[in-house]
Amino acid sequence: SAVISQKPSRDICQRGTSLTIQCQVDSQVTMMFWYRQQPGQSLTLIATANQGSEATYESGFVIDKFPISRPNLTFSTLTVSNMSPEDSSIYLCSVDEPSNSGRTEAFFGQGTRLTVV
Amino acid sequence: GNSVTQMEGPVTLSEEAFLTINCTYTATGYPSLFWYVQYPGEGLQLLLKATKADDKGSNKGFEATYRKETTSFHLEKGSVQVSDSAVYFCALTKPNTGGFKTIFGAGTRLFVKA
Repeated sequence: SAVISQKPSRDICQRGTSLTIQCQVDSQVTMMFWYRQQPGQSLTLIATANQGSEATYESGFVIDKFPISRPNLTFSTLTVSNMSPEDSSIYLCSVDEPSNSGRTEAFFGQGTRLTVV
Repeated sequence: GNSVTQMEGPVTLSEEAFLTINCTYTATGYPSLFWYVQYPGEGLQLLLKATKADDKGSNKGFEATYRKETTSFHLEKGSVQVSDSAVYFCALTKPNTGGFKTIFGAGTRLFVKA
């Protein structure tokens, strides 16, 4: 199973600033995913990050607001730009890996709890 | 499209009560089905999974059976404990370009009282 380290684990930021969240995986993976979990809500996929290509964003999310880097097969960053209080959420990094059955399951980092004031 | 629908919470039970959290899905093909759990202040972790019809996933006393005829994957536990208080997410994976994508239900918060 994949082990995912995410940092920072939490931060309190001023509105208008940007925060970059790092995600490190202990094995090489093709796709990495970034999710947002707003207070009391489920997970919403922000984008899928493949190494060597631009991230693919879901409806409602744009690269200018959430730029993503994927410089190699074990690392990715998500930046939350020009933050507002509405960006206060938990941001989660995830990978899908084949399980013993050949299907996949998702592994998650511990998340970054962001509060924008 | 592909989606997951689970019962709204919160669900409040007394210790040792029987738990059922309903989950139904819409998907093309044969997705894998999962239950994830999020304990207070923690990230998500896989609770159990099933990869084909009639499979039963089980872990920590929780069970769920992949029912293709009813497109359901209901979570059950015979006797809940206070430590089971958490948010439970039903999910499925579907093929995506170059891999798979996970789709989550809205989550169901469970409170277990002593």
